[in-house]
Amino acid sequence: DTAVSQTPKYLVTQMGNDKSIKCEQNLGHDTMYWYKQDSKKFLKIMFSYNNKELIINETVPNRFSPKSPDKAHLNLHINSLELGDSAVYFCASSHNLAAQETQYFGPGTRLLVL
Amino acid sequence: KNQVEQSPQSLIILEGKNCTLQCNYTVSPFSNLRWYKQDTGRGPVSLTIMTFSENTKSNGRYTATLDADTKQSSLHITASQLSDSASYICVVIRYNNNDMRFGAGTRLTVKP
Repeated sequence: DTAVSQTPKYLVTQMGNDKSIKCEQNLGHDTMYWYKQDSKKFLKIMFSYNNKELIINETVPNRFSPKSPDKAHLNLHINSLELGDSAVYFCASSHNLAAQETQYFGPGTRLLVL
Repeated sequence: KNQVEQSPQSLIILEGKNCTLQCNYTVSPFSNLRWYKQDTGRGPVSLTIMTFSENTKSNGRYTATLDADTKQSSLHITASQLSDSASYICVVIRYNNNDMRFGAGTRLTVKP
């Protein structure tokens, strides 16, 4: 079974819409993350959520909001989608925030904003 | 300028050959360095994790080296296989998993 899963795998939507991407991990990890991978393939962390504490990358627009109903889920909600939001979004999890802990990534959600 | 620079940007080799990918970084302070493999259409998968005090770490045919003095790391792939075709990403961690700096990756293609 997939350790970190994301839905949907593909998302095509119009500019201005609101959309959500779901993420679930069955590893029992305490920490989850959202990353954005742009067309140049750079991965950038957007959020980390550790023991109910949300750490936000200051460059992320407030149109993006993570929501964690429980430790195994961290969903990403995006308001008023813009063309520049088109990218691949990866969810990941790790046992905790410690530097030596391996992160496990989901398969990614490919978002295309038209 | 990105704090983690990888070279080459892309590389094509024949199956069975060895290759070495480079990673230079300017990130400071430095806690550990990782190499990830990312297959097309998939999320990255961790290959190696090295702390600043480690010089080398192996994972099967993958061997990573680290020189913390010169701030350089390399990933050596031995006896390449077609399944090694992927992007290889170097990641430097400053303090913890919330403070990671990613390289742009090296795109490796292994041909039969």
